[in-house]
Amino acid sequence: DVKVTQSSRYLVKRTGEKVFLECVQDMDHENMFWYRQDPGLGLRLIYFSYDVKMKEKGDIPEGYSVSREKKERFSLILESASTNQTSMYLCASGTGGSYEQYFGPGTRLTVT
Amino acid sequence: AQSVTQLDSQVPVFEEAPVELRCNYSSSVSVYLFWYVQYPNQGLQLLLKYLSGSTLVKGINGFEAEFNKSQTSFHLRKPSVHISDTAEYFCAVSKHSGGSNYKLTFGKGTLLTVNP
Repeated sequence: DVKVTQSSRYLVKRTGEKVFLECVQDMDHENMFWYRQDPGLGLRLIYFSYDVKMKEKGDIPEGYSVSREKKERFSLILESASTNQTSMYLCASGTGGSYEQYFGPGTRLTVT
Repeated sequence: AQSVTQLDSQVPVFEEAPVELRCNYSSSVSVYLFWYVQYPNQGLQLLLKYLSGSTLVKGINGFEAEFNKSQTSFHLRKPSVHISDTAEYFCAVSKHSGGSNYKLTFGKGTLLTVNP
């Protein structure tokens, strides 16, 4: 089975802190994605990556950056956390030839 | 750009009743369509997908969906629901052309609550 793991299920940070969310997949997938999920808004794509060191902005990249130094790991960085970034963050991965995405369990981030 | 509209934000039903969760999409190009399910405190799991071929697609847990190109719809159905089907359901679309064709655009979700 494909496994996508996220470093934390719950995280509480203070405004202005730099926050790292880590995602690791074990299926050698080329594609990796970061979404945020908010009630009533569904999933919105923050960033995605098609290969190591490759990244593209999604629909809501402002306030976020990403890093993909190794194929299995995709990190989401909040440079200076703000309260409006309190949300559920979901990581997903997929093969280059498929549209199916496999999701991690999510990280619920609270910024106070 | 494509978009997805899930017409109902919440659908309450009784156990063993049939259910239909509605999804409409808009796109200027041909698309692939997906339904994902999210159980409480979990990530999303693929329920079923339409890529080509038969417009009636069967998925896991007894769910099925029908692609209707003229209506631009991809409604999800189950003839008899169980308590365990209580979850949030997301419709998603991906256009199949171009270099970024593996991105998905998600609807806002429909919360299905099955009551005893």
